[in-house]
Amino acid sequence: QVQLQESGPGLVKPSQTLSLTCTVSGDSISSGNYFWSWIRQPAEKGLQWIGRIYTSGTTNYNPSLKSRVTISIDTSKNQFSLNVNSVTAADTAVYYCARGASSGWHHNLWGQGTLVTVSS
Amino acid sequence: DIQMTQSPSSLSASVGDRVTITCRASQDISSYLNWYQQKPGRAPKLLIYAASSLQSGVPSRFSASESGTDFTLTISSLQPEDFATYYCQQSYTTPLTFGGGTKVEIK
Repeated sequence: QVQLQESGPGLVKPSQTLSLTCTVSGDSISSGNYFWSWIRQPAEKGLQWIGRIYTSGTTNYNPSLKSRVTISIDTSKNQFSLNVNSVTAADTAVYYCARGASSGWHHNLWGQGTLVTVSS
Repeated sequence: DIQMTQSPSSLSASVGDRVTITCRASQDISSYLNWYQQKPGRAPKLLIYAASSLQSGVPSRFSASESGTDFTLTISSLQPEDFATYYCQQSYTTPLTFGGGTKVEIK
């Protein structure tokens, strides 16, 4: 079955760049009518959508993070990635990658999540 | 941004109880409303999409409805595995936004 797996450093220093990759297994990232999102959740708090990318390369970002976020996709590797620059402690969270259905725009498949801590 | 307001923020219920959670959108979102269940330490899981469509594999005790900008998730008979936090999310427009969550606890 299709699975998503986040990977990347668990600890990032303030002012540096947070970089995560989501690897899609079990199917081609280019198959079907999907988009690929990043969503985060600070400890004991709610969910915040960061942004999404289509296999065409089209992106949409949350305006609250837009100036610091870049999402990219590498269809040859079946991966998509997240970069958040100039991080602060407020960026400490569990980061999830997720697959969204283009019919309805709901996220029907999620990675297990990865904790990223911003600390010196 | 479209604000999603969930109520209550938490509730206590017993196994077998009927549970209702409400989500209100700050503007019209048509039927672009989804419900997710999240258990501690786990990723969210899609329960309902397009306001009232049950995701494949989700038990039929879960149902949902809409009335204007008000949306409701109902669990007809609460089971032990249903104790979790539930989130609504609008997918009408970006930025996609979530409600604050409703934690369903054991009474």
